[in-house]
Amino acid sequence: NAGVTQTPKFRILKIGQSMTLQCAQDMNHNYMYWYRQDPGMGLKLIYYSVGAGITDKGEVPNGYNVSRSTTEDFPLRLELAAPSQTSVYFCASSSMDEQYFGPGTRLTVT
Amino acid sequence: RKEVEQDPGPFNVPEGATVAFNCTYSNSASQSFFWYRQDCRKEPKLLMSVYSSGNEDGRFTAQLNRASQYISLLIRDSKLSDSATYLCVAYAGNNRKLIWGLGTSLAVNP
Repeated sequence: NAGVTQTPKFRILKIGQSMTLQCAQDMNHNYMYWYRQDPGMGLKLIYYSVGAGITDKGEVPNGYNVSRSTTEDFPLRLELAAPSQTSVYFCASSSMDEQYFGPGTRLTVT
Repeated sequence: RKEVEQDPGPFNVPEGATVAFNCTYSNSASQSFFWYRQDCRKEPKLLMSVYSSGNEDGRFTAQLNRASQYISLLIRDSKLSDSATYLCVAYAGNNRKLIWGLGTSLAVNP
């Protein structure tokens, strides 16, 4: 039981490039979330999903897109990377109220 | 007013000390609360859930005061390994979304 996994662990992007952050969970959780955490700051919700095929915006969705074609996977897409998207990205999942997190992806946009 | 507020600290305590953190929340409809621990540059990890008046797990005790809308976390016999940021979290009540505090930093010194 791996829990929540995220790839890649680190990535450096040039401005304007695109990438997909991968997230998978093997706990059969319906709910999945993407957060970003800037240095010294709190977690901000980007997008979330209540089940396969259903996604919704969080607090800071601009510049990102998500899809949820299966219960297990919830990828986050950055289409045109900007320096403001330099952050640590955490994926989480839950079946009830408690959320369980992946190890994060550290993204730098230069 | 932030929905979940915490004293950012840092709290510097010697090993073996007892330390307490408070957290206030603004949504009186919140039913469940959590304390998460976050080590530097790592993912948040669930420490305790608080659904009724309180919860205890070894050296850690969480208490909920609904009348005053605050949650506390007490750590007894502090260890060096307790050094981390402690995040107070309230369940938002919709779509399993959580409202995150900014965290309280604890440093336990030898």
